[in-house]
Amino acid sequence: QSALTQPASVSGSPGQSITISCTGISSDVGGYNYVSWYQQHPGKAPKVMIYDVSNRPSGVSNRFSGTKSGNTASLTISGLQAEDEADYYCSSYTSSSRVFGGGTKLTVL
Amino acid sequence: QVQLQESGPGLVKPSETLSLNCIVSGFSISSGYYWGWIRQPPGKGLEWIGSIFHSGSTFYNPSLKSRVTLSVDTSKNQFSLKLSSVTAADTAIYYCAKEVVYFDYWGQGTLVTVSS
Repeated sequence: QSALTQPASVSGSPGQSITISCTGISSDVGGYNYVSWYQQHPGKAPKVMIYDVSNRPSGVSNRFSGTKSGNTASLTISGLQAEDEADYYCSSYTSSSRVFGGGTKLTVL
Repeated sequence: QVQLQESGPGLVKPSETLSLNCIVSGFSISSGYYWGWIRQPPGKGLEWIGSIFHSGSTFYNPSLKSRVTLSVDTSKNQFSLKLSSVTAADTAIYYCAKEVVYFDYWGQGTLVTVSS
């Protein structure tokens, strides 16, 4: 299985919106509505921000949203804040495996 | 409050077997769900290693399948990872996590270094 494809880095200014893409294939991202997104700050364990493509766990800001079209999922963060600066990983569940994206470093300028 | 805690040696010699345990508190493994292992080499991304159901059925990353064994001990409310024939490329932070299609609870991670 190959890792999902994410941009290595994205950046934005406070208050702006950014979108991170996550591209897979028809047998992972495209075949299941089980895409999740994780935020990881340095030295910390990942934290789920979006699950099942577009659902937010309790306690996660509504500034985080997710969508999917075909084999590509996207995470949008609106109203960027300094605390959003972190690494972000997408992941897809399939019936026989799980796969992560390579990760995207978000820099808040 | 669900909590997971990894434990095991922080240093393993090349060609030997890496063994880690994950103790779960605040939730009974017997209740269901998958329990997974994920690793992260220093400065790199996340890699799924494998997942085990409370009944013992398993799914492994194809790239690691020949070297990985997962097991679960419901009496101790813990699950375990064994990775054989390790090399320096297996040096990573190893995380255990509860899985409900996505990974909703994670351990803090434990760094395992492969070196002689």
